[in-house]
Amino acid sequence: DTGVSQNPRHKITKRGQNVTFRCDPISEHNRLYWYRQTLGQGPEFLTYFQNEAQLEKSRLLSDRFSAERPKGSFSTLEIQRTEQGDSAMYLCASSPGTGGEQYFGPGTRLTVT
Amino acid sequence: RKEVEQDPGPFNVPEGATVAFNCTYSNSASQSFFWYRQDCRKEPKLLMSVYSSGNEDGRFTAQLNRASQYISLLIRDSKLSDSATYLCVVTHNFNKFYFGSGTKLNVKP
Repeated sequence: DTGVSQNPRHKITKRGQNVTFRCDPISEHNRLYWYRQTLGQGPEFLTYFQNEAQLEKSRLLSDRFSAERPKGSFSTLEIQRTEQGDSAMYLCASSPGTGGEQYFGPGTRLTVT
Repeated sequence: RKEVEQDPGPFNVPEGATVAFNCTYSNSASQSFFWYRQDCRKEPKLLMSVYSSGNEDGRFTAQLNRASQYISLLIRDSKLSDSATYLCVVTHNFNKFYFGSGTKLNVKP
């Protein structure tokens, strides 16, 4: 399968713990995006990478969230000191950089208890 | 004010019906527009881009009205398999995309 993959698919954690998610984009795609989606809402933009550079970050993203794409390939999203409000589906998408179309991974569902 | 607004629906239509969704956007600098489809508990998938002149892909037609800042999606001859949530998406520089909350479509036999 050459699509976008995300791991883990599900994560249950206790409030206050740190969690890290991984996204492997389609190999030739230089653009990578992270989104958060809650029930009944559309995906909410979190951050954007072009190759290894983080070029855009949502103002809604608190200091507890950090993302990296060290070699311009896979990316990680870390949430420190999780809160119950962080419970959501975290989606990663990649794009070839022309036309704006995005290809989404299956997401990581986070539950904070 | 939200960047992108959609009627959440649901739109309940019989097979074979024609259904239309609208979406409004607030930023007049928006450059590119898309419709995505999201099935229950699945990731969004690109349905079609929306071009200034309007565009058609089989039973699906998308149109853009820049003056009124809205885009539309028309589905003709609805199929059961069209049942999904349709997400309107807008961007002004491809660095950041704004998704609407989605419009739910139920096509019934």
